[in-house]
Amino acid sequence: DTEVTQTPKHLVMGMTNKKSLKCEQHMGHRAMYWYKQKAKKPPELMFVYSYEKLSINESVPSRFSPECPNSSLLNLHLHALQPEDSALYLCASSQDGILGFGELFFGEGSRLTVL
Amino acid sequence: DQQVKQNSPSLSVQEGRISILNCDYTNSMFDYFLWYKKYPAEGPTFLISISSIKDKNEDGRFTVFLNKSAKHLSLHIVPSQPGDSAVYFCAASRYNQGGKLIFGQGTELSVKP
Repeated sequence: DTEVTQTPKHLVMGMTNKKSLKCEQHMGHRAMYWYKQKAKKPPELMFVYSYEKLSINESVPSRFSPECPNSSLLNLHLHALQPEDSALYLCASSQDGILGFGELFFGEGSRLTVL
Repeated sequence: DQQVKQNSPSLSVQEGRISILNCDYTNSMFDYFLWYKKYPAEGPTFLISISSIKDKNEDGRFTVFLNKSAKHLSLHIVPSQPGDSAVYFCAASRYNQGGKLIFGQGTELSVKP
């Protein structure tokens, strides 16, 4: 059973909609991540929060807005997306912050379709 | 510029035999390597990792080998089981960028009964 929970599992939205993806972990991990995976491609890093502070933004367009309300929660706010943003959005967490090594534990993902 | 490469998109193996999945990398600054397994419609699941100070790490049926001079790592699964059928991603990172995993393209393993 995954200990990183993502909601919703599926989301369909229009280009003018505002929606949010949510992620929760209760493992006491100090770093949380958003990755994006397109079909037949590897996951690509979008954002990293370490100790609730944004540590890495991989030049992601501003129509994606991350938020980390506390150490267990991570949101991704979506606004004015494009059809090419359709993908599987993966949340992950790791025990340590951005420094050091650490295996990432992934959630099952939120499948986003932008019409 | 793809820093982590898995040149075999697919691999088919008979049940009970050895599966060998390969991965090459170009960035000599990478010092930690991981293998993930992914079923359709699920997130990747961590399998096994190795740091650059080692050349081998074993966990049950899974063994990862690292050849730093060749910038090559491989995952051996012995014996292979039908439940191992999935996409396998190798990933690499640097010590001070622990969560910034760079993934390979993946290899789809099919284990036939």
